[in-house]
Amino acid sequence: AQKVTQAQTEISVVEKEDVTLDCVYETRDTTYYLFWYKQPPSGELVFLIRRNSFDEQNEISGRYSWNFQKSTSSFNFTITASQVVDSAVYFCALSEAGTGFQKLVFGTGTRLLVSP
Amino acid sequence: DAGVIQSPRHEVTEMGQEVTLRCKPISGHDYLFWYRQTMMRGLELLIYFNNNVPIDDSGMPEDRFSAKMPNASFSTLKIQPSEPRDSAVYFCASSQTGTGSQPQHFGDGTRLSIL
Repeated sequence: AQKVTQAQTEISVVEKEDVTLDCVYETRDTTYYLFWYKQPPSGELVFLIRRNSFDEQNEISGRYSWNFQKSTSSFNFTITASQVVDSAVYFCALSEAGTGFQKLVFGTGTRLLVSP
Repeated sequence: DAGVIQSPRHEVTEMGQEVTLRCKPISGHDYLFWYRQTMMRGLELLIYFNNNVPIDDSGMPEDRFSAKMPNASFSTLKIQPSEPRDSAVYFCASSQTGTGSQPQHFGDGTRLSIL
């Protein structure tokens, strides 16, 4: 069965600090996809990134970077030089071949609070 | 481009009333998903459609919940009769067919309160 664990419930940092959000997943499939979504205080869910299980290259997009390590079943998300606008709940999610890739299983989310 | 559009944004109603939530997916997307978000259970997939056909409704909590997709641009989630424990934020999302798992794009959600 697929499962996503985000052990950090809440993280507080001061602006300009770097912060890493952890995501550990479980799946029996060899083919799967991992996602990160952001939910700002306004409530909508915003797609950030998708990664498939065959692509372990790390990715950087501006201040955001993602570290995918199959050996530890982790897909961690780092924000460099955090800003107040980064304050949100961040969700990691998994979909796998066994469910036709359509069923997203979400972690419980990590609330990030960036203070000025 | 217009995103996923949900209505209403907020709904407050009394226990026992029928509630209908509406969703317009992104044009060209052939998958539509309904999720529920609560503090206790997080984000749960309720049901999803492909080309207007329900594919998996295993997440629908009970018979009081029903969902339809009469055409490619409209879906409803209905709760009848509603109960206080149905209070939650309900999200609709859509995605398009492609290689593997395509990103799901979410609407702004409907915040439902059952008194």
